[in-house]
Amino acid sequence: DQQVKQNSPSLSVQEGRISILNCDYTNSMFDYFLWYKKYPAEGPTFLISISSIKDKNEDGRFTVFLNKSAKHLSLHIVPSQPGDSAVYFCAASDSGNQFYFGTGTSLTVIP
Amino acid sequence: SAVISQKPSRDICQRGTSLTIQCQVDSQVTMMFWYRQQPGQSLTLIATANQGSEATYESGFVIDKFPISRPNLTFSTLTVSNMSPEDSSIYLCSVVHGIQYFGAGTRLSVL
Repeated sequence: DQQVKQNSPSLSVQEGRISILNCDYTNSMFDYFLWYKKYPAEGPTFLISISSIKDKNEDGRFTVFLNKSAKHLSLHIVPSQPGDSAVYFCAASDSGNQFYFGTGTSLTVIP
Repeated sequence: SAVISQKPSRDICQRGTSLTIQCQVDSQVTMMFWYRQQPGQSLTLIATANQGSEATYESGFVIDKFPISRPNLTFSTLTVSNMSPEDSSIYLCSVVHGIQYFGAGTRLSVL
């Protein structure tokens, strides 16, 4: 049973525009959410996180939004750069050490 | 932070053989995690390895197929036994050290 879902397997965005990656979850006990970025031949690396007590967290060009009532989070990248081209995974945790991952969205930023 | 060294980075194996993947962390951690990422699917937790005790396996994964060793707080191995083409996947070790960190992964192809 997929508790974390990323329904868009791929996304293409023009350089300089906004990239919006979406993630839905089903478990209302999740209270900590993360986004990871993965380049080919590398392991996922942490990008940004948000706890359930907040609805927005911003770090430079990256902003994560959390809508708890809709069980939805999104990652905004603005402006998008070619180096942002990678696979992005969202993950969720219920305060334990286990994280549940989505299937990933492959972002391509077109120069 | 935590730096994880995982090897081999890739291997091509014959059906029926076994492969042992090694994971070394630069700091002592209580739990180490082993994930699998099959093409087009999310990161799936195989098992959690605690030092000094048997690993805890997730539903669908068994010790006979994926034996794990955890001899100390910085090292673990995962063996993929009696391989079949269905085991072709990326295998990742991971630790939680504040946030979750991943090794670069082992890309396994079974012929």
